Amino acid sequence: SYVLTQPPSVSVAPGQTARITCGGKNIGRRSVHWYQRKPGQAPVLVLYDDRDRPSGIPDRFSGSNSGNTATLTISRVEAGDEADFYCQVWDTDNNNPVVFGGGTKLTVL
Amino acid sequence: QVQLVQSGAEVKKSGASVKVSCKASGYTLTGYDISWVRQATGQGLEYMGWLNLNSGNTGYAQKFQGRVTITRDASTNTIHLELSRVRSEDTAVYYCAGAKGAVAFDVWGQGTLITVSS
Repeated sequence: SYVLTQPPSVSVAPGQTARITCGGKNIGRRSVHWYQRKPGQAPVLVLYDDRDRPSGIPDRFSGSNSGNTATLTISRVEAGDEADFYCQVWDTDNNNPVVFGGGTKLTVL
Repeated sequence: QVQLVQSGAEVKKSGASVKVSCKASGYTLTGYDISWVRQATGQGLEYMGWLNLNSGNTGYAQKFQGRVTITRDASTNTIHLELSRVRSEDTAVYYCAGAKGAVAFDVWGQGTLITVSS
């Protein structure tokens, strides 16, 4: 089955730029979605189809996807951005159609 | 927009079954699939299965086949997840999530904590 690999943690100072990667074989051929999950809360979609933002998500959140790596970029990081981030794709494997990355803990220093 | 409201937390003994509910509301339910995703403490998100609100068709992740059943009450737009023969590893927060087909999950329930005790 398809595997998505994320770094366990990323740390960044306020005001700086955070980049969270999601690796997978030829992931550039797939649509990647990103979710933010804060402690005690449900996941929230922050990017869909690699780079599109749902209504209400600030333009500080952006994305790219090429080759074997998709990237979520958060510009001008704020303390309130601290959370776990997960990438997700759909797979053609009917036994496991939805694949999540292992998650990345974003720490704002 | 679609809203998903889940049932409350439960504690179950090992070997029992547990049923979690997810009530969907909103003007744009047509075409939505409701999936179930869980997260154990310190672990990542884990996909369990889905149900199409229109047809009632279902699908399950291989890991859960034979132990998970997803059903719906069409009259109340409530989707149920039943997990049988629970064990300690099933202790997790269970989320229902909505998507219009194989796209992003743009709406999530608030989560239901299921605790399995021995």
